[in-house]
Amino acid sequence: QSALTQPASVSGSPGQSITISCTGTSSDVGGYKYVSWYQQHPGKAPKLLIYDVTNRPSGISNRFSGSKSGNTASLTISGLQAEDEADYYCSSYRSSSTHVVFGGGTKLTVL
Amino acid sequence: EVQLLESGGGLVQPGGSLRISCAASGFTFSNFAMNWVRQAPGKGLEWVSAISGSGISTYYADSVKGRFTISRDLSRNTLYLQMNSLKAEDTAVYYCARAPILYYFDSWGQGTLVAVSP
Repeated sequence: QSALTQPASVSGSPGQSITISCTGTSSDVGGYKYVSWYQQHPGKAPKLLIYDVTNRPSGISNRFSGSKSGNTASLTISGLQAEDEADYYCSSYRSSSTHVVFGGGTKLTVL
Repeated sequence: EVQLLESGGGLVQPGGSLRISCAASGFTFSNFAMNWVRQAPGKGLEWVSAISGSGISTYYADSVKGRFTISRDLSRNTLYLQMNSLKAEDTAVYYCARAPILYYFDSWGQGTLVAVSP
């Protein structure tokens, strides 16, 4: 059982927008502005998409955006493209001995 | 260009030990915290351990505390993970990841596979 809860799968058609949720507690997602999101294609290393809830690293498309409300963070991908098909993971700082926690991952299918 | 290259993975018996390494280049190694994150076959990501830029502070997931030791050699720009008392559930691809701030990872290596089996 993962520390943060994500839907197992989401899907959308090219050009549409989708949102992936990430639910934690007040000890992690809800308590800090330290949520990040990663994209992972099969057989590849994860890639940072969003950090500190809403910030995009240099080179990441503005089609990717992050937000947070209470104990739930969200990743929105707009203008879906075929290459967006991948696994997506959220992560958060946690105020415990478990320093960083991940969600279980969400498989995005572009129909 | 930031490069992280893991090595040292392999097959080890339960109860055995293994040390994996991550050679870093393309950035000032001592300016960044470094982490190990693992992924069991077909499963999600799991944070394993972190070390501060100076190497003074270290952090571990409960699942590996007391068995794994993270360290870094600033003269060799290399990160290590010493893994002792290995269990079947430690089987995973181990990624090293650079952390501008301790809790998010902006560059990842390609991973090294550690398989624990009789």
